[in-house]
Amino acid sequence: DIQMTQSPSSLSASVGDRVTITCQASQDIDNFLNWYQQKPGKAPKLLIYDASSLETGVPSRFSGSGSGTDFTFTISSLQPEDFATYHCLQYENLPYTFGQGTKLEIK
Amino acid sequence: VQLVESGGGLIQRGGSLRLSCTASEFTVSSNYMSWVRQPPGKGLEWVSVIHSSGTTYYADSVKGRFIISRDNSKNTLYLQMSSLRSEDTAMYYCATGLAAAPYNLWGQGTLVTVSS
Repeated sequence: DIQMTQSPSSLSASVGDRVTITCQASQDIDNFLNWYQQKPGKAPKLLIYDASSLETGVPSRFSGSGSGTDFTFTISSLQPEDFATYHCLQYENLPYTFGQGTKLEIK
Repeated sequence: VQLVESGGGLIQRGGSLRLSCTASEFTVSSNYMSWVRQPPGKGLEWVSVIHSSGTTYYADSVKGRFIISRDNSKNTLYLQMSSLRSEDTAMYYCATGLAAAPYNLWGQGTLVTVSS
C-alpha cells in the first residue's frame, strides 16, 4: 500500500497568512492526488484534483503543486472560513490512501 | 446531484449491518462508487470501491468482512458489514467522481457505533 505522509499535523495561523501543507507519497503516484477541506460534522469538500487542478467553484486562493512523490497545498491569504482540517488522497494505486490530516487553527 | 447514506446505528461487536447510499440525478452503475470512513476524531480511511464494470476492491482492514454492492433498479450503493469490531466505529461516507474530478461528490455520512 502507498503511505501518504502529511505535515504538519496541526498549524496555527492568522487571517491573511500564507499557509502551506505537504504530502509525501511512499512511491511515485504521478499527479493522482486530491486535496480536501473538512469542517466539523461535515463531509470532506474537494478543493484540488490531479495535484494542481482547481475544482469548480473553489476560490483561487487555494492551489496545489507537485508530481511523483512530493506535493504541496497552499492557501495564499487565509480567510476566516478556511479554518478547518485538510486531507490529501492518492488515487494512483488501490487501496487509495489518505494523509493523516492537518488541522488549521486560528492563532 | 447528491448522495444520501442511511443504515447506520448502534450494533454489538460481532454483529452485522447494511449501509445504503442512494444517488439522485446520476446513475450509480455508470460510475465508480466508494465507501470511506472516519473514526471519531481521526483521519479518513478509504474502505472499498465498486467500478462500473462491477469489479470490487477492499482495504485489508475490511477484506472478508465487508461486501460492496449496488442495486441498479434502486440506484443505490450498499455496504454489507459483518463480524463488526470496535475499530469499525466510524462515520461512513459514500463518494464518487463526476465530470473530470475524482471523488468530488460525497454524502453526508452515516454513523456506525460498535459496542463491546
